[in-house]
Amino acid sequence: DGGITQSPKYLFRKEGQNVTLSCEQNLNHDAMYWYRQDPGQGLRLIYYSQIVNDFQKGDIAEGYSVSREKKESFPLTVTSAQKNPTAFYLCASSIGLLTDTQYFGPGTRLTVL
Amino acid sequence: GQQVMQIPQYQHVQEGEDFTTYCNSSTTLSNIQWYKQRPGGHPVFLIQLVKSGEVKKQKRLTFQFGEAKKNSSLHITATQTTDVGTYFCGAYSGAGSYQLTFGKGTKLSVIP
Repeated sequence: DGGITQSPKYLFRKEGQNVTLSCEQNLNHDAMYWYRQDPGQGLRLIYYSQIVNDFQKGDIAEGYSVSREKKESFPLTVTSAQKNPTAFYLCASSIGLLTDTQYFGPGTRLTVL
Repeated sequence: GQQVMQIPQYQHVQEGEDFTTYCNSSTTLSNIQWYKQRPGGHPVFLIQLVKSGEVKKQKRLTFQFGEAKKNSSLHITATQTTDVGTYFCGAYSGAGSYQLTFGKGTKLSVIP
């Protein structure tokens, strides 16, 4: 779990505003992921990226966008189109896809008022 | 898409009792991973199972992959308060899928 940082830990936004969550890793991992966690729902994949400048939609991509301009960084934007954005957001990375371990960051708890 | 069912959703045990969580899929899995998330924390990798019928142990934790590679279990012997948390299984189906599909988790409470 070391080597992945997410900031901030808690984030509050007004309804209708876009917000960008930061995720940085210094593990030299190729693959990065964004998950959303709601109580009783487990972890649901939003987007993932295997290499720089490439990313794929996960199960719940609607209302979210990502970019992967650098290997170390995979920011997630929660747009106003996301109907229920309040959740715990987890970023993860792995050496490559279909690999042994996903390393998770500490998460960002987003509350939309 | 692939679904991974995990049961039970909650489990309360007295300290010293055993605990088991099960993960089931309708499709054959390429491999399965287990993660633990402490309250207020983030998931931390425990182990990966790849082979049919594989059994791996980590101290009081025993992980098993079914013969048909459609189910898995995590068993904790003589639970301790440090075992408290939510245990997730995550599975790859292979066949070009790059997505680790997680179960909803089993939340373990240990009564001292």
